[in-house]
Amino acid sequence: DAGVTQSPTHLIKTRGQQVTLRCSPKSGHDTVSWYQQALGQGPQFIFQYYEEEERQRGNFPDRFSGHQFPNYSSELNVNALLLGDSALYLCASSFLSARDTQYFGPGTRLTVL
Amino acid sequence: KNEVEQSPQNLTAQEGEFITINCSYSVGISALHWLQQHPGGGIVSLFMLSSGKKKHGRLIATINIQEKHSSLHITASHPRDSAVYICARGGELVFGQGTRLTINP
Repeated sequence: DAGVTQSPTHLIKTRGQQVTLRCSPKSGHDTVSWYQQALGQGPQFIFQYYEEEERQRGNFPDRFSGHQFPNYSSELNVNALLLGDSALYLCASSFLSARDTQYFGPGTRLTVL
Repeated sequence: KNEVEQSPQNLTAQEGEFITINCSYSVGISALHWLQQHPGGGIVSLFMLSSGKKKHGRLIATINIQEKHSSLHITASHPRDSAVYICARGGELVFGQGTRLTINP
């Protein structure tokens, strides 16, 4: 049983570009959450998807958007990249009925130059 | 003030020492998580607990709901325990800033 997978592992972009990160949840999980972890800080909640809808959102601008597909996989899109968007982006999956138990992916490290 | 506070922020110890990392939170919770993050980024969930104490190998986590406080203990620490340890309150996780633990041989 594969755990949570994310792609790509690393990504380098320049300011103003757009990026798409991908996450496949643990088998059977229906809920995907995205987190941003800046260097030296704890992760910050971006948003959570369930049934292809954004259920909750943290304090992130509209440049951050997402999508969940019928197979529960998810994408995180960031438009008009800023230097400050450089971070590790973590995806976690869970059952909606058991959101306290989240399984994390390895993360995608985004560098914006 | 962060909703979840950890202490210490950095901890260096010798192999074999008993390690304690503390976590305090300011609002009531349904569960608290302890996570481990090695260099390179991947996060591993260590414990999720809502009361009492849990043990897994050399790791022990305790929580006091009334005092809004949790501790992570490592017995007989080893250099491979070197990592960042993060506590997070449950639901849409709110994370502490992490404790960077270094165990020297």
